Amino acid sequence: EDQVTQSPEALRLQEGESSSLNCSYTVSGLRGLFWYRQDPGKGPEFLFTLYSAGEEKEKERLKATLTKKESFLHITAPKPEDSATYLCAVQPTGGFKTIFGAGTRLFVKA
Amino acid sequence: DAGVTQSPTHLIKTRGQHVTLRCSPISGHKSVSWYQQVLGQGPQFIFQYYEKEERGRGNFPDRFSARQFPNYSSELNVNALLLGDSALYLCASSMLDRGTEAFFGQGTRLTVV
Repeated sequence: EDQVTQSPEALRLQEGESSSLNCSYTVSGLRGLFWYRQDPGKGPEFLFTLYSAGEEKEKERLKATLTKKESFLHITAPKPEDSATYLCAVQPTGGFKTIFGAGTRLFVKA
Repeated sequence: DAGVTQSPTHLIKTRGQHVTLRCSPISGHKSVSWYQQVLGQGPQFIFQYYEKEERGRGNFPDRFSARQFPNYSSELNVNALLLGDSALYLCASSMLDRGTEAFFGQGTRLTVV
């Protein structure tokens, strides 16, 4: 069964303390992996799309990487405004469904 | 350019009633997907429509139905509401039916009492 698991469930960082969020996935074939940011009570905001192992994407303090079994979202020198829930989603081949993980809640303290 | 718009933003319904949620996709996007998000969980896939045809359906009961109109806007209908249907309902639009990123609306917060 296709599955997405994100860890940790919650992460508390001091401002400037870099870290990584993990997304492990199990699919028969991967069409694409997506990262989103979600603020409380709002819809997810698109961050990155990754298609193949070894691919990397960067945007400001965020960098996403992909292997055959997992993806990492690296946060460099985070600021309080980076506090949000980060969602990982995969789209398997052979279908139209997109499967989301439960998310990692990030708290960055000044 | 306008993003994905959903209406209404908030809704309170009584058990047993039905509800219709509406979504307008980004201009040029032909695919609309619907998701249910319960507090503390990730979005759960309900439906995907592309060019007015249903392309995918998640594990939801037949009380949930949807359609897409010629202008690519979409409606999600839920009949015989249960307390457990209380959630944030999200609509997302994308250029194609698969392989491309989706952009989400702000969601409709449905409360069933």
